[in-house]
Amino acid sequence: EAQVTQNPRYLITVTGKKLTVTCSQNMNHEYMSWYRQDPGLGLRQIYYSMNVEVTDKGDVPEGYKVSRKEKRNFPLILESPSPNQTSLYFCASSGLAHYNEQFFGPGTRLTVL
Amino acid sequence: RKEVEQDPGPFNVPEGATVAFNCTYSNSASQSFFWYRQDCRKEPKLLMSVYSSGNEDGRFTAQLNRASQYISLLIRDSKLSDSATYLCVVKGDSNYQLIWGAGTKLIIKP
Repeated sequence: EAQVTQNPRYLITVTGKKLTVTCSQNMNHEYMSWYRQDPGLGLRQIYYSMNVEVTDKGDVPEGYKVSRKEKRNFPLILESPSPNQTSLYFCASSGLAHYNEQFFGPGTRLTVL
Repeated sequence: RKEVEQDPGPFNVPEGATVAFNCTYSNSASQSFFWYRQDCRKEPKLLMSVYSSGNEDGRFTAQLNRASQYISLLIRDSKLSDSATYLCVVKGDSNYQLIWGAGTKLIIKP
């Protein structure tokens, strides 16, 4: 089954404790992206990647890191989480030619205390 | 002004009715537009693209008005399963950038 998976789905952590949210896709997509979704705001892009070892900042990259060492994986790293990073996070992937049709993972609900 | 704006709703509509909502965008040079659907606590999924000539897919019709810089989504003969949040998406200036509206919540009542 074609899918994007994220782990963990839910996470409660404390300020300053490094964490990683994993994202993996099995559709051989070149393009992968991380978004956060907050009430009253649209999805905001954090980082994106157009291929292995190619990453770029989105609209709200501060406080986040990413890596793309393999085509299928695109982990999101919060080195020192803060309460304002409490949010719903989505990973998405697509082919470069059809990036408007993004396939999303199920989301990770993160709470930073 | 936000780049993409939507009425957050909720729109409460009886089953079988027709409902329409708009999305305005600020960049007059925008070329590509899309509607995504997001069920409660789920991930967004592409509903349909919006072409200059309009686009119809079953009970759903999407229209583009460039002069007034808005796109619309019309749902005819609404079903209970249409209850969701509808996200308006506009292609940004940068390659592979999509700008998302905050969504319009639709509730279909029996």
